[in-house]
Amino acid sequence: NAGVTQTPKFQVLKTGQSMTLQCAQDMNHEYMSWYRQDPGMGLRLIHYSVGAGITDQGEVPNGYNVSRSTTEDFPLRLLSAAPSQTSVYFCASSKGTAISYEQYFGPGTRLTVT
Amino acid sequence: GQQLNQSPQSMFIQEGEDVSMNCTSSSIFNTWLWYKQEPGEGPVLLIALYKAGELTSNGRLTAQFGITRKDSFLNISASIPSDVGIYFCAGSPTQGGSEKLVFGKGTKLTVNP
Repeated sequence: NAGVTQTPKFQVLKTGQSMTLQCAQDMNHEYMSWYRQDPGMGLRLIHYSVGAGITDQGEVPNGYNVSRSTTEDFPLRLLSAAPSQTSVYFCASSKGTAISYEQYFGPGTRLTVT
Repeated sequence: GQQLNQSPQSMFIQEGEDVSMNCTSSSIFNTWLWYKQEPGEGPVLLIALYKAGELTSNGRLTAQFGITRKDSFLNISASIPSDVGIYFCAGSPTQGGSEKLVFGKGTKLTVNP
């Protein structure tokens, strides 16, 4: 199993550009989530999904859209990038059962918005 | 929203020393998780705790789920250079949806050989 994969690994955008960060998992996990990590801030939840066709907002959802058309994929879209979205983005997945919130993280996407 | 207070923020220790770090919350959590993140990588799960009072070990690492359900501790015994990294605690709150893990801001560990 590849686990959780993310592409691209690095990205530079200009203000106002749009892009999609890709995330895929091959563990048949129902739960997937996106976090951003900023220096001194830990990990903050952007959006999450408990299954295909179901998404919900996390702590910092503004400026980001998500969709979950399949169990395997959970892309994160930035419609109009802003410098405040410069961060490292992590995708994670877990079985999502009541007893297991052991989330497995991807390697991250390092995004710079100029 | 719910927050986790993780301390200390950073630690500088000598190889062979034991390490203790903790995480506290003002509200009750159902689950406590401890992750380690190395530079340029995503966090990796170390230990998961599901019951108040639970004590779980993973090699030289030991973590405990506090009796009050508002705190958790991670201990590393006989530290080695590869223990370097940022250690995060995370919790699943009882309110607001159990799918939303809350993370602490991390403890940065430096081990001098």
